[in-house]
Amino acid sequence: ETGVTQTPRHLVMGMTNKKSLKCEQHLGHNAMYWYKQSAKKPLELMFVYSLEERVENNSVPSRFSPECPNSSHLFLHLHTLQPEDSALYLCASTPSATRNNEQFFGPGTRLTVL
Amino acid sequence: QQPVQSPQAVILREGEDAVINCSSSKALYSVHWYRQKHGEAPVFLMILLKGGEQKGHDKISASFNEKKQQSSLYLTASQLSYSGTYFCGTEQIGGGNKLTFGTGTQLKVEL
Repeated sequence: ETGVTQTPRHLVMGMTNKKSLKCEQHLGHNAMYWYKQSAKKPLELMFVYSLEERVENNSVPSRFSPECPNSSHLFLHLHTLQPEDSALYLCASTPSATRNNEQFFGPGTRLTVL
Repeated sequence: QQPVQSPQAVILREGEDAVINCSSSKALYSVHWYRQKHGEAPVFLMILLKGGEQKGHDKISASFNEKKQQSSLYLTASQLSYSGTYFCGTEQIGGGNKLTFGTGTQLKVEL
């Protein structure tokens, strides 16, 4: 595998379920990101991890819980979500969390909350 | 604050040119451009830095007017493969090391 991979690609869950999204990067990067992409809205940054430490939490509700066990893996744990949380969730990585870095995106997980 | 992109959508015939604009109300370090095809990940096209020069990518080039906090993406002699949604992302001075994305411009190139 090369680049940034995400699993699952599609997920349907009820509001009472607990699920997790997984992201893995094979680029040797030290920073990883979660974005939310909703229809007709810009990409919204959710979380940033640099060297496994969370450096940015963009006022995201606590029903979204990120985890970064090492610099290659990033998870987004989901619980008691709302229908408005349905969106495409994109993971990205950069060599570091400094400026002027090209973002490498994964293909995303299409989440539907019923 | 998110940058504003224009137009929201454009349809071209193959071989025609297009310009996509990105405007910010904040002072910027840089502007990034990405393209996303339906069902795929956004792909980096180029970055324009404060104090830097115009950067090109094959027949796609861009400019950055630092005084106006505006960037324009130029697509010349468009090809079918250019179809997709184009996003600008801005790194704002005083905004931390993060990208703030615009709402995107949908581009469709037809025969």
